[in-house]
Formats: sequence, C-alpha cells, structure tokens
Amino acid sequence: GAGVSQTPSNKVTEKGKYVELRCDPISGHTALYWYRQSLGQGPEFLIYFQGTGAADDSGLPNDRFFAVRPEGSVSTLKIQRTERGDSAVYLCASRFGLNQPQHFGDGTRLSIL
Amino acid sequence: AQRVTQPEKLLSVFKGAPVELKCNYSYSGSPELFWYVQYSRQRLQLLLRHISRESIKGFTADLNKGETSFHLKKPFAQEEDSAMYYCALLGSSNTGKLIFGQGTTLQVKP
Repeated sequence: GAGVSQTPSNKVTEKGKYVELRCDPISGHTALYWYRQSLGQGPEFLIYFQGTGAADDSGLPNDRFFAVRPEGSVSTLKIQRTERGDSAVYLCASRFGLNQPQHFGDGTRLSIL
Repeated sequence: AQRVTQPEKLLSVFKGAPVELKCNYSYSGSPELFWYVQYSRQRLQLLLRHISRESIKGFTADLNKGETSFHLKKPFAQEEDSAMYYCALLGSSNTGKLIFGQGTTLQVKP
C-alpha cells in the first residue's frame, strides 16, 4: 500500500496569498500530524488530529494557520495572508495507534516570494 | 521546557570508523526517545526507539537518564549510513507529538 501522500510537492506563491496543503494519510491511520521544517532545523509540531477533531493545535504559530480533517482521513493545512517567514517544508505524518511509529510523507516545500 | 539538542550539525568519518551521534534532552518525567533518519531523496523514517532496545542496521542507542542523553552509536560506519539523523522526544504521551532536535548530517567517506 501507499505511504503518506502530500500534494503539491512544491508550491511557490507571492506574499499575501492563500495556500492549501494536502495530506492523504495511510489508510486506517486515525492519528494525523502536521510539522513544519525550516531550513537547517528539525521538524516542529503544528497540529494533531485524532479522527476528525484537532486534539492538539498548540503548535500553530498564529491564527493565519488552520487545518481541517472533515472525514477523518485527508487533511488540509491552510495558510492565509502568507508571509516570507512561512517558507518551509511542511510535513505530514500518520500513525495507527498510540504506541505505533509515525509514518511521514515527503513534505510540501512552500516558498513565499 | 521540553527540548532536544544535537550539538553537531555535521559529523564526518571514514568507512569502518566508529560513529557516535550525540543527543541530549530536557524533560521532566520519564522520557521516550527516538532516532529518525532521512536518506538522500527519501522521506523521514524511524530508525529506532529506546523502549524497543533493539539494534537496527548496526545502530544502537542507550538512554542515560543521569546525563539526559540518548546518543546513537555504530561500531563500524558504512558509506550507506550517510544521511541526516534526527533525535526526537515524545512530547506528550496523550497525543504522540514529537519534539525534534536540529539534526546531524553524517557523512561517511570511502
């Protein structure tokens, strides 16, 4: 079966624009995570979904960032009024159970000009 | 505060030499730690976790609570070990979110 799929793989847009990043987790994985990885840094936690609900959104940097997972499978990370500092690789991960490892996607490289 | 520190950005060794990638953590309570690896043009993947006490691809890591460390070791490096390595701490047992270090690039020269 396929692993975690993220689209697009690359996104270039202008400052101030709105972007959506999509994550398709492994089938049957109820837990889904978003992380952000800036250049030269490790991934930083953004938000965690258990099923359809955001169980922990403490990592979202501000209210320009929002994520949804309406049917408990695919998730979309939405960024409004993008800023140059939002440029990073956005990683998605999913896992089956609490004691199971997280499986990561390839990420979306977001560049804000 | 919960934190993971990997003091070396780059570690360069010759093939056959021993390798030690350093990781220190800050956590109140009983930590759960992981090593993740990212090979060139591949996605981030789990290498090992301390609770499993296993050896993967010849790598081992021992949790030292006194020194708050979880260093990754391999007695004889191979060229295919060249990759980016991240140490990670389970930030919350309720959510499973991970706190990553900055990563260390391991370069194994022939």
